Amino acid sequence: KQEVTQIPAALSVPEGENLVLNCSFTDSAIYNLQWFRQDPGKGLTSLLLIQSSQREQTSGRLNASLDKSSGRSTLYIAASQPGDSATYLCAVSGYSTLTFGKGTMLLVSP
Amino acid sequence: GAVVSQHPSRVICKSGTSVKIECRSLDFQATTMFWYRQFPKQSLMLMATSNEGSKATYEQGVEKDKFLINHASLTLSTLTVTSAHPEDSSFYICSATVRQGLESEKLFFGSGTQLSVL
Repeated sequence: KQEVTQIPAALSVPEGENLVLNCSFTDSAIYNLQWFRQDPGKGLTSLLLIQSSQREQTSGRLNASLDKSSGRSTLYIAASQPGDSATYLCAVSGYSTLTFGKGTMLLVSP
Repeated sequence: GAVVSQHPSRVICKSGTSVKIECRSLDFQATTMFWYRQFPKQSLMLMATSNEGSKATYEQGVEKDKFLINHASLTLSTLTVTSAHPEDSSFYICSATVRQGLESEKLFFGSGTQLSVL
């Protein structure tokens, strides 16, 4: 059974810092990995999707990497802003499955 | 810990039939439930937000008459795909929020439903 772990569970940084969120998974037989952000009271917002054959994806200040063989992904946020404050989740897709981590709660202070 | 039960996990149906998917919070009251779908090789996309006792809020491009959402109680939300067609074949997943304290909430997910329309 796939298990997804996100570290750290919470992170607080001053504005402008670069930061890395980590996601690990136990079963490397995945189709893709996704990163989302969740704002209170709202549904998930998809940030980046990395197919199993890809190593990384970039969108603006966000860069996600995938090392399928070691079961790891990282989400790099450059020049963090207070508006980046949210909970970030990663999820891995398998055959008719989607397994989420518990998320990293990020707080970026002005 | 909080558990969200989603049924069925897999359904195969003929084109034109309706399919109901249930999402149930087992040990907590979920004031808000979300419904998502994921097409192969694509991102998970939010379909609608469902609040108990009120009409669901649908995302742009999602047909409310085709994807009927009922959230009649604090523990149950259902998504009915009416007159399903092959293009509705997708992975559907629900989630529910639990408020923790004044400023934070946690999101719990069902196990998903793989819908295949022949």
